Amino acid sequence: GDSVTQMEGPVTLSEEAFLTINCTYTATGYPSLFWYVQYPGEGLQLLLKATKADDKGSNKGFEATYRKETTSFHLEKGSVQVSDSAVYFCALSGISSGSARQLTFGSGTQLTVLP
Amino acid sequence: NAGVTQTPKFQVLKTGQSMTLQCAQDMNHNSMYWYRQDPGMGLRLIYYSASEGTTDKGEVPNGYNVSRLNKREFSLRLESAAPSQTSVYFCASSERGGRTDTQYFGPGTRLTVL
Repeated sequence: GDSVTQMEGPVTLSEEAFLTINCTYTATGYPSLFWYVQYPGEGLQLLLKATKADDKGSNKGFEATYRKETTSFHLEKGSVQVSDSAVYFCALSGISSGSARQLTFGSGTQLTVLP
Repeated sequence: NAGVTQTPKFQVLKTGQSMTLQCAQDMNHNSMYWYRQDPGMGLRLIYYSASEGTTDKGEVPNGYNVSRLNKREFSLRLESAAPSQTSVYFCASSERGGRTDTQYFGPGTRLTVL
């Protein structure tokens, strides 16, 4: 079945450092790929997504490119801020046997940014 | 526009007790989902409803039942709670349940079963 493997955390960075969180996936066919972010005490919210190979999703300075040849969707940001401290989840929406597409999540990566 | 709302926010149960988690969305979405979040495991799908009047099992349905009451509301019931059901529960919705659709999440219910 479908699966998502995310970089283990926690990750601690200083403000203005470069961020990469690795994500690779296994799926049949052509899934859509997502990054969700969860701030402390809140639900998940969409950060960005890409729906076909070579698409780049971007939002709030974060970027990720859908690489089918390496089955990857790594999250990057050039200069992190304290306010980016959160848990980041990579997810895919692939073929399912049911009547609605389901999200398969990675285990999440806790990011802490220090001032 | 409140998005996806969930009640209660917190709940403590004793083993064997029952309860219902409520979820409602005001975005006129067709598809709704229940997930549980456990440390180090991401989110796992319990049940989903592709459209009003239909429900299907997800990855971890045992010990749960659901009701799609109408287009807006999707409830999750624990008939006889067990400590293994201690978790954070999230409801989500999407417009059509399609491959490219974004799922919108509620704030979660933190459940402890003693």
